[in-house]
Amino acid sequence: EADIYQTPRYLVIGTGKKITLECSQTMGHDKMYWYQQDPGMELHLIHYSYGVNSTEKGDLSSESTVSRIRTEHFPLTLESARPSHTSQYLCASNGGLGPQYFGPGTRLLVL
Amino acid sequence: QKEVEQNSGPLSVPEGAIASLNCTYSDRGSQSFFWYRQYSGKSPELIMFIYSNGDKEDGRFTAQLNKASQYVSLLIRDSQPSDSATYLCAVREDRGSTLGRLYFGRGTQLTVWP
Repeated sequence: EADIYQTPRYLVIGTGKKITLECSQTMGHDKMYWYQQDPGMELHLIHYSYGVNSTEKGDLSSESTVSRIRTEHFPLTLESARPSHTSQYLCASNGGLGPQYFGPGTRLLVL
Repeated sequence: QKEVEQNSGPLSVPEGAIASLNCTYSDRGSQSFFWYRQYSGKSPELIMFIYSNGDKEDGRFTAQLNKASQYVSLLIRDSQPSDSATYLCAVREDRGSTLGRLYFGRGTQLTVWP
């Protein structure tokens, strides 16, 4: 089982603010992912990375951006938060062809 | 577009019964298959993965894979109220540009009543 950490776990913020959601893993996994999930709804992949300096957009159009400067760290940034960004954001990782493991998630509420 | 279909449920079974969760997928190139459990408000938790045709057992859980029929299932024996959750099926094609990406179904909500 992987150790994946996400901070903050909960965030309430006003419209227009810049926010960064942190995700880190200690397993040396090369692949990392960000998903968005509304309550009771399906998972949507918004960004992924196959290694340092590699990032790709997922299936769901997102106004967020990501970076992968270090193997263990994959932060997601919203330059200007809006109420439509209110959701749960889940980070995940896997190494090679191993299973994908999820972090605990960040619940974001934009007022 | 790779599609993963699950019975939407909800599926309701009594305590002690066998719960059967089904999943079909559209891409014949899919090679790895995963089952996740997600409690309300929590993140998905990996419970089983299977790569080869046949059955794979882990405690009360059995995953069954039939690649010819593009079908994967999860059986939960001796169901407990604590098994009540949404179960997500995910498939992966382990080659090409989508290497490592998971494609998820919408999930099946399971309720186990005492």
